[in-house]
Amino acid sequence: DAGVIQSPRHEVTEMGQEVTLRCKPISGHNSLFWYRQTMMRGLELLIYFNNNVPIDDSGMPEDRFSAKMPNASFSTLKIQPSEPRDSAVYFCASSLGQSSYEQYFGPGTRLTVT
Amino acid sequence: AQKVTQAQTEISVVEKEDVTLDCVYETRDTTYYLFWYKQPPSGELVFLIRRNSFDEQNEISGRYSWNFQKSTSSFNFTITASQVVDSAVYFCALSPISGSARQLTFGSGTQLTVLP
Repeated sequence: DAGVIQSPRHEVTEMGQEVTLRCKPISGHNSLFWYRQTMMRGLELLIYFNNNVPIDDSGMPEDRFSAKMPNASFSTLKIQPSEPRDSAVYFCASSLGQSSYEQYFGPGTRLTVT
Repeated sequence: AQKVTQAQTEISVVEKEDVTLDCVYETRDTTYYLFWYKQPPSGELVFLIRRNSFDEQNEISGRYSWNFQKSTSSFNFTITASQVVDSAVYFCALSPISGSARQLTFGSGTQLTVLP
């Protein structure tokens, strides 16, 4: 079975541009998580969904960030407008069930904002 | 509030040596899960193990073993007879079992380098 799929794998954009990151969770998983990894702050949870509903978005840095999950097999994380400090690796993860089951991570999207 | 501390930022060993990665956590939850993840140079995060707070039995999986001690809030990870392919960043993480928060709180990671 396929793992978590993220696209693009790499994104280079200029400051002020809109960036959309995409994620397809593992089929059958009903929780989806977006993380950001930087050298300074390590791995941070941005937002997570359960059954397509956002449960906790307290980690979203500011209004420039938004996330959607229109159906069980697709989620997006959008940054508009992007800033150089948004440069990071963004991971999507999915897990099965309401409990704290293990989360399976995608390969990540490396975002560079110049 | 939850916190995971991995005091060892970097560890370097020679192949075939045993190495232990330390993890200390803080939580007010009475029930919780602990995890270890591996991040090899390729960048993906690989799940290694999940333990719940009411099961303190140590676990062994091949060359990997985990020592969970609730009394000291530690969940240490030992690699026996290390190999070059074990070189990676290893993350310890914590998650509550009850309540609405399901997110993992990660430690800062330990960079393990195994030299040939």
